[in-house]
Amino acid sequence: DSGVTQTPKHLITATGQRVTLRCSPRSGDLSVYWYQQSLDQGLQFLIQYYNGEERAKGNILERFSAQQFPDLHSELNLSSLELGDSALYFCASSVEASGGIYEQYFGPGTRLTVT
Amino acid sequence: GESVGLHLPTLSVQEGDNSIINCAYSNSASDYFIWYKQESGKGPQFIIDIRSNMDKRQGQRVTVLLNKTVKHLSLQIAATQPGDSAVYFCAEFLGGGTPLVFGKGTRLSVIA
Repeated sequence: DSGVTQTPKHLITATGQRVTLRCSPRSGDLSVYWYQQSLDQGLQFLIQYYNGEERAKGNILERFSAQQFPDLHSELNLSSLELGDSALYFCASSVEASGGIYEQYFGPGTRLTVT
Repeated sequence: GESVGLHLPTLSVQEGDNSIINCAYSNSASDYFIWYKQESGKGPQFIIDIRSNMDKRQGQRVTVLLNKTVKHLSLQIAATQPGDSAVYFCAEFLGGGTPLVFGKGTRLSVIA
């Protein structure tokens, strides 16, 4: 158990809908990262937050957004869902944002299925 | 595995043999590298890391080798066990606020 929690574990929804994925980082970790893992792409970095502020952005679609709250939990919002958004979404956390090198601890993931 | 179902290269190894998983990384300026293991139904789990100023690092039953000349990383697992069956990812880190960049992954299948 990495100490990172994600809810829900599974999510099935229809095209055009909007969903929210939730992540609670390990106690003491200030950075939260979101990744998408699909069949063809492997692990793709989406976005990073550090202590409530966006720190780095990867291949995140405009239909997707995220935020980190004062209690450091994070939410990833996916809207206007398409079939191709079906994937595993992972959250990871680490102690520090960058500069220093800190291991990222991954949550168990949320499996999103868009029908 | 259920966790990913990725279309990945697969390495099949007999139980007890040594495994070598290879990774070509993309950026010669990468400063730090990590190997992750992802078992079915779980998130990636840290195995071992290495900094760019090293060419070898050993852990428990695992060794990572770094060849910066050809931008190549390998993970060696000694005496492979059924519990080692998983997808293995290498990740590189450029530093300075950039995120980890993950490789495509290799599925290790251990034959009992």
